[in-house]
Amino acid sequence: GAGVSQSPSNKVTEKGKDVELRCDPISGHTALYWYRQSLGQGLEFLIYFQGNSAPDKSGLPSDRFSAERTGGSVSTLTIQRTQQEDSAVYLCASSFQAGGVNEQFFGPGTRLTVL
Amino acid sequence: GEDVEQSLFLSVREGDSSVINCTYTDSSSTYLYWYKQEPGAGLQLLTYIFSNMDMKQDQRLTVLLNKKDKHLSLRIADTQTGDSAIYFCAERRTGGGNKLTFGTGTQLKVEL
Repeated sequence: GAGVSQSPSNKVTEKGKDVELRCDPISGHTALYWYRQSLGQGLEFLIYFQGNSAPDKSGLPSDRFSAERTGGSVSTLTIQRTQQEDSAVYLCASSFQAGGVNEQFFGPGTRLTVL
Repeated sequence: GEDVEQSLFLSVREGDSSVINCTYTDSSSTYLYWYKQEPGAGLQLLTYIFSNMDMKQDQRLTVLLNKKDKHLSLRIADTQTGDSAIYFCAERRTGGGNKLTFGTGTQLKVEL
C-alpha cells in the first residue's frame, strides 16, 4: 500500500513569509508525528497527534509553529513569519497505534529553505 | 546528559561486519529502535528491541542492549555497498509519550 506522503518535497521561501507543509499518513494509522532534521540540531520531535487531538506539542520551537489534523487523516504544519533558522527537512511519520512497539513509518520529508 | 549519542562516521570494507554504537539516556526506556536513512530518502525502521531483552537477531542484523550502561549496538554482518547510509538509534522514553528521541546518526561508508 501507499506510504506516508508529504508535499511539497521542496519549498523555498523568503524570510517573513508563512508556509504550510502537508502530510498524508498511511490509511488507518491513528497516530501522526512531525519531526524536523537540521544540520545543527539533528532529528527533533515537534508534535504528536492521536486522532485529531495533539496530546504532545512539547517540541514546537516557538508560537510561530502550529499544526492541525483533520478527519483523523491529513495534517498540516504551519510556520508563520519564517526565519532562516527554520530551514530544515520536516519529516512526518505515522503509526497504527500509539502504544506497543509503535512502529513509526516516515515520509520522504519536505525540505524548507528560508532565504 | 540529555543527548542520545553516536559516533559520526564508520568505514568498513565490503564483506566485513559493521558495529554501530549508541549511548542512550533513559535507563527505563521501553523500546529502542534502529533506523536507516539513505541519501534523499526518508527514515526506514530496521529493527527494534524491547527493554527486557539483551539481544535480538534479524537476518544480518544483531542488536545488543546493555541496560546497565545504557548502551545499544547494531551489528551488520557481511556488510554490502547497499548498506551505506546514515543509521540512527532512537529511544522511547518512559513518560515521554510516544515521541522518539533520536541519536545524532552514524554515517556508514562501505568500501570495495
